[in-house]
Order: sequence, then structure tokens, then C-alpha cells
Amino acid sequence: GENVEQHPSTLSVQEGDSAVIKCTYSDSASNYFPWYKQELGKGPQLIIDIRSNVGEKKDQRIAVTLNKTAKHFSLHITETQPEDSAVYFCAAMDTGNQFYFGTGTSLTVIP
Amino acid sequence: NAGVTQTPKFQVLKTGQSMTLQCAQDMNHNSMYWYRQDPGMGLRLIYYSASEGTTDKGEVPNGYNVSRLNKREFSLRLESAAPSQTSVYFCASSERRANEKLFFGSGTQLSVL
Repeated sequence: GENVEQHPSTLSVQEGDSAVIKCTYSDSASNYFPWYKQELGKGPQLIIDIRSNVGEKKDQRIAVTLNKTAKHFSLHITETQPEDSAVYFCAAMDTGNQFYFGTGTSLTVIP
Repeated sequence: NAGVTQTPKFQVLKTGQSMTLQCAQDMNHNSMYWYRQDPGMGLRLIYYSASEGTTDKGEVPNGYNVSRLNKREFSLRLESAAPSQTSVYFCASSERRANEKLFFGSGTQLSVL
């Protein structure tokens, strides 16, 4: 089955700086890659996603890039704010429509 | 609009006890899922229901049973709880199995002593 690895496990940045979280996947047939944000005491919430036929997608301060050849994708958050502090999960969906999640990155934005 | 509602939010069990986690969604979604979240392991799929009347095993189904009671409700049952089942459990739903966007509930924190 699919295996998703996520790095780093923790990340601290100063407010206003950028944050980058990276994920790799093993199944070259996986075709959909979402990112979820989980705030304390809440369930994960989808923040951005990318499909395998697209290399980059942006939504205001967040962006996701995908390198199919290398089988990795990344989340980029620019101009970070304290409310960006949360745990972020990447995931890959295989051809059987099953999601495989990374182990999460705890992001802290220091005011 | 409540989305996905899970009950209870917290539960403590003794080894061998049984319990049922309840989940309901009000988005008219066809597919529902149960995940567990453990430190350092991300979210893992326990069971899912692609549509009303069907259920299938996910990645880690051992020790669990599920019931898709109707289109809105999907319950997870632990017949004989074990310490290894201490975890945070999330219910999720999607419009259909092949639809990528998952909507999650707020979770149930379960401790088995």
C-alpha cells in the first residue's frame, strides 16, 4: 500500500516568515494530495489540495507544489500569522480512493 | 449547519468493557469513515461505508465493528476494549467514495485502562 512520510514533525517560525512542510509518497499511481489543518481540540479541516496533473496551486498565503517524478509535495505558508499555529497533515489518495496520511507537523508561529 | 457530530467527546473504559461511538452528519453525504489518530502515526482508516447499507474494512479494523444505521449515522463499536485501542477517534464523511474532500468531526478521546 501507499506510504506517506512527512517532515519536519515540529516547526517554529517567527510571525511574518514563511513555513514549508514536505511530504513524500511511495505509490506513483496516487493521484490526489490534500493538506489538512488541525487546531487544538478540533478535527482536521481541508485547507488546500492538488491533483496529479497540476504542478502548483495557490490560495492566498498558502500554496502546494507537486513533483510527480520525485514523488514529493510541499505546503508553503507565507507571511505566517499566530492563527496559522496548528498541526498540519498531508495525505495521498490511491487509485482505490483510500487516503494515507502523513504523521503531522506541529507548526508554531511566534509573535 | 452542524456538519459531522461525534459523541461522546471523552471516554474512559476498563479493559474488556464495550462501548459504541456515535457519528452523525447532516450534509446528505453518501460515504462515512472512522479513523484513529495516534501520536507519531497520523490518521489511519478503521472502517468505511461507501454508501448506506455497505461497510468495508480499512487499514486497521481488528477489534472494531461498525454499523451504518441510515444515511446520516455511522457507529463504531468496541466489543472488548484493550489498552492498544487508547486513541483519538475521528468520524468523517464525503459526498461519495470517490469524492476527495473529507469533512471531519471533532473527535472522541478514548482511554482504555
